[in-house]
Amino acid sequence: SAVISQKPSRDICQRGTSLTIQCQVDSQVTMMFWYRQQPGQSLTLIATANQGSEATYESGFVIDKFPISRPNLTFSTLTVSNMSPEDSSIYLCSVGTGIYEQYFGPGTRLTVT
Amino acid sequence: KQEVTQIPAALSVPEGENLVLNCSFTDSAIYNLQWFRQDPGKGLTSLLLIQSSQREQTSGRLNASLDKSSGRSTLYIAASQPGDSATYLCAGARGNTPLVFGKGTRLSVIA
Repeated sequence: SAVISQKPSRDICQRGTSLTIQCQVDSQVTMMFWYRQQPGQSLTLIATANQGSEATYESGFVIDKFPISRPNLTFSTLTVSNMSPEDSSIYLCSVGTGIYEQYFGPGTRLTVT
Repeated sequence: KQEVTQIPAALSVPEGENLVLNCSFTDSAIYNLQWFRQDPGKGLTSLLLIQSSQREQTSGRLNASLDKSSGRSTLYIAASQPGDSATYLCAGARGNTPLVFGKGTRLSVIA
């Protein structure tokens, strides 16, 4: 298994500002993903964070809005840019292990006012 | 594209009952299926992983099965307890691709 931590755990931000969420894993992992969970909804994949190259974004998500960095095999950041109230969600970091099991961090609860 | 459906959306049962949560998926080439638990406002806790070569997995009072031919998975919870109250999510993937999630079943176990 993998132990994943996220910072911050929650934040309240003003419209138009940006927030960077950090994800730290206790071991080196190949696969890292970022998901969003809007209120009352299930999880939607934002992007796959690739180490040393640009992230792979899902349909409906763009780099300008959700820039992602992954400088090494244990760390990634997701930035939510130019926020609006519609960005209020839980953002979750996830990692994939060699046997195709995914583990999730505790999430970052973002409220945009 | 993989789609995952969970039925029912919500379920309320008295304590002690055995119950079954259902999950169906459209891609029969699914490699693995995971069941998660999510408590309100919290992250996801992995409950069971069923790899494509397996038909079921058990952990304590939980048993999950996978039938790739019919595109279905079930999560069986025996002797339910109030502490089992949570949202249960199933998710599937091919190999090392990211999981695709269903919308979950919200379970309430009444004491």
